[in-house]
Amino acid sequence: QQQVKQSPQSLIVQKGGIPIINCAYENTAFDYFPWYQQFPGKGPALLIAIRPDVSEKKEGRFTISFNKSAKQFSLHIMDSQPGDSATYFCAAKWGAQKLVFGQGTRLTINP
Amino acid sequence: ETGVTQTPRHLVMGMTNKKSLKCEQHLGHNAMYWYKQSAKKPLELMFVYNFKEQTENNSVPSRFSPECPNSSHLFLHLHTLQPEDSALYLCASSQNGLAGDNEQFFGPGTRLTVL
Repeated sequence: QQQVKQSPQSLIVQKGGIPIINCAYENTAFDYFPWYQQFPGKGPALLIAIRPDVSEKKEGRFTISFNKSAKQFSLHIMDSQPGDSATYFCAAKWGAQKLVFGQGTRLTINP
Repeated sequence: ETGVTQTPRHLVMGMTNKKSLKCEQHLGHNAMYWYKQSAKKPLELMFVYNFKEQTENNSVPSRFSPECPNSSHLFLHLHTLQPEDSALYLCASSQNGLAGDNEQFFGPGTRLTVL
């Protein structure tokens, strides 16, 4: 199945909280799992990515947790800020170029 | 200009019109992509071009006709569209290679409304 299921659709968190966005997949041929951040009026931009041989990757306040046996991965945002308010997409890649995206999560960080 | 640019940013057209979307990448990449982003739906890959050659057509209706004259420019020609084609059309580019993550860089998109 060339699908990635993402939840929740929307999320509201207070400043300083830790929003968590979850994704699940079926296709074991996926070999690269990026997260994209999209602000209104802009295209998606790569935020952080992970390969399935790693269980966790951290870049600044953003962390991906990856559970290969469960075919699930999640994005955590530490010490969230109002500037993190955006739509977040998980994705999965197979082959050299084919990206499949999740449905997106609209994240709002309240001051 | 830097990154990936798209013009126009907004387009309103009737179902009988013919229009074109333009994408230009200033990153020296050799692969370009068209995606469709509809409300509450995942981004959908439409077309992939590598070194000006189309390598992927994701069952896109023929009323969408892509053109890639060189590795830096990509067009999407539109004709006799339907209201359900209204969406944000995103262009992306990447450095294609046999290995590596081939990160895709996206433009800001063209917001298309079909009346």
